[in-house]
Amino acid sequence: DAGVIQSPRHEVTEMGQEVTLRCKPISGHDYLFWYRQTMMRGLELLIYFNNNVPIDDSGMPEDRFSAKMPNASFSTLKIQPSEPRDSAVYFCASSLRRDSSSYNEQFFGPGTRLTVL
Amino acid sequence: DQQVKQNSPSLSVQEGRISILNCDYTNSMFDYFLWYKKYPAEGPTFLISISSIKDKNEDGRFTVFLNKSAKHLSLHIVPSQPGDSAVYFCAATDSSDSNYQLIWGAGTKLIIKP
Repeated sequence: DAGVIQSPRHEVTEMGQEVTLRCKPISGHDYLFWYRQTMMRGLELLIYFNNNVPIDDSGMPEDRFSAKMPNASFSTLKIQPSEPRDSAVYFCASSLRRDSSSYNEQFFGPGTRLTVL
Repeated sequence: DQQVKQNSPSLSVQEGRISILNCDYTNSMFDYFLWYKKYPAEGPTFLISISSIKDKNEDGRFTVFLNKSAKHLSLHIVPSQPGDSAVYFCAATDSSDSNYQLIWGAGTKLIIKP
């Protein structure tokens, strides 16, 4: 398997523009997570899905952020309008939960480095 | 409220010696712990994990120790190699919680000196 795929790898945009980040999880995985990494706040969970359904979006910082998972092989994270403080590295990760009594590791994509000018 | 703490932002170790990375947690419901390694410009990769029913788990040069009474775990790397230079994240979860997510520490940057 190719692993988790994210695109674009780098995005530079101007304040006020819409930004869409994309993620393709590992085939067969039933959980998908969106994270943001900054120097100040470390690795923050933004939202996660189970079987394409959003489960917890309490980490989404503002209404400007939205995420969708229209099918098991694709998810998007959208920021509209973008602001300079959104500049960060955004990671997508996926996981397969084999049973309800254990935890299985998350597999991360390479990340999208977003710069908002 | 930081439930998982890695108090050392960075650690420098001589090649060939032991590296010890520490992690503390506050939530007594956590029963599964993971260590991830992250190189620049890459996503974190899973390294090793431990369940709360154990106090030690070993995988090659990597060993994780868990002290439940102290709510402390540590990652030992022996011997340290230059390729081990990376940021190491500790993460924890309550596997019985329907909220299936990891709680992450801030990371420790490990530098292996040749």
